[in-house]
Amino acid sequence: GAVVSQHPSRVICKSGTSVKIECRSLDFQATTMFWYRQFPKQSLMLMATSNEGSKATYEQGVEKDKFLINHASLTLSTLTVTSAHPEDSSFYICSARADATYEQYFGPGTRLTVT
Amino acid sequence: AQRVTQPEKLLSVFKGAPVELKCNYSYSGSPELFWYVQYSRQRLQLLLRHISRESIKGFTADLNKGETSFHLKKPFAQEEDSAMYYCALRGSEKLVFGKGTKLTVNP
Repeated sequence: GAVVSQHPSRVICKSGTSVKIECRSLDFQATTMFWYRQFPKQSLMLMATSNEGSKATYEQGVEKDKFLINHASLTLSTLTVTSAHPEDSSFYICSARADATYEQYFGPGTRLTVT
Repeated sequence: AQRVTQPEKLLSVFKGAPVELKCNYSYSGSPELFWYVQYSRQRLQLLLRHISRESIKGFTADLNKGETSFHLKKPFAQEEDSAMYYCALRGSEKLVFGKGTKLTVNP
């Protein structure tokens, strides 16, 4: 079946630094990928839609300069949290939509802790 | 705007009992509805979608456009069904999730 990987699975960084999270579709092409944020015991909140070769579309209230998204190929999207603050600590989940089937597959998530 | 409401945060039933997880949606066009499941320490995975009208692991869900509902049902719950269940709606391009219902099936 289709697999989406995320790297790293967990990361701890200091306030003010930047951290990059990678999302890869391992065996299918995904022109469109999505980034979600999940707070403890809460639902997934869509942050942005990432399209290969074009600018990401951010949801209302999500700072595009803080959460930089790059979708450079049909199998890779990256989310960079810039100048991280403790309130950015969260679980970040990516999802890739298969071009062939339109089905959306989810990565295992990345736990970010900002100290 | 797309909106998904799951009124129950927690649902607890005994093994063998019927279970129904409620989902209501709001969308002006023709939506696609999905149920996703997240078992403990695992990633989110698709359980079923309204278009395929299939039954997965004994679960079914019928789209009721009049009531704007897509409730998930299973006649006889099993302990391994214990998980977080998310109802989701895809309107245009993006998939929007409800807040989820944690189902616990007790022995």
